[in-house]
Amino acid sequence: NAGVTQTPKFRVLKTGQSMTLLCAQDMNHEYMYWYRQDPGMGLRLIHYSVGEGTTAKGEVPDGYNVSRLKKQNFLLGLESAAPSQTSVYFCASRSTGLAEAFFGQGTRLTVV
Amino acid sequence: RKEVEQDPGPFNVPEGATVAFNCTYSNSASQSFFWYRQDCRKEPKLLMSVYSSGNEDGRFTAQLNRASQYISLLIRDSKLSDSATYLCVVIISGGYQKVTFGTGTKLQVIP
Repeated sequence: NAGVTQTPKFRVLKTGQSMTLLCAQDMNHEYMYWYRQDPGMGLRLIHYSVGEGTTAKGEVPDGYNVSRLKKQNFLLGLESAAPSQTSVYFCASRSTGLAEAFFGQGTRLTVV
Repeated sequence: RKEVEQDPGPFNVPEGATVAFNCTYSNSASQSFFWYRQDCRKEPKLLMSVYSSGNEDGRFTAQLNRASQYISLLIRDSKLSDSATYLCVVIISGGYQKVTFGTGTKLQVIP
């Protein structure tokens, strides 16, 4: 049982480059989330999805886009990376109701 | 005001000590409450859910006070392995069931 899997785990980008982070869950969860975590800031929600084909903005969406074409996958895209996007990115999923969230192992992204 | 607030710490306690963390939340529509543990450079992992009647799991006890809108976590007989950051998590009902995290309280258990 893999749970929530994020790829890649580490990446270094140059300013202006683009990339896509993949989150995959095998628990048939409806809700999926992308967070970024910076020192002293806690986890901040970037985008979320309440089901296949739906996405919505969180509290810090600028500079990111997402897609959820399949229920099990939630993709986070950076079209033109900036140093301010250097962070650790976590994906999470949860079922409907008031159940807890499960996290992927994180992606450490450095933009130089 | 942040929706979920925690004392960032750090709390430095000796092995065997009892330590308590508090967390306050501002949205009265909050319905589910959890404590997560996050080790350095790792993902958050569920420590325990928090129920209205209070609940215990070994050395850990969680309490919820809906009237005052705070939750607490008590750790008894602290172990070195308890050193981590503890995150308070609140799920708000309605819409997409917003999952809100506190910034975490760092615990360091000292030999």
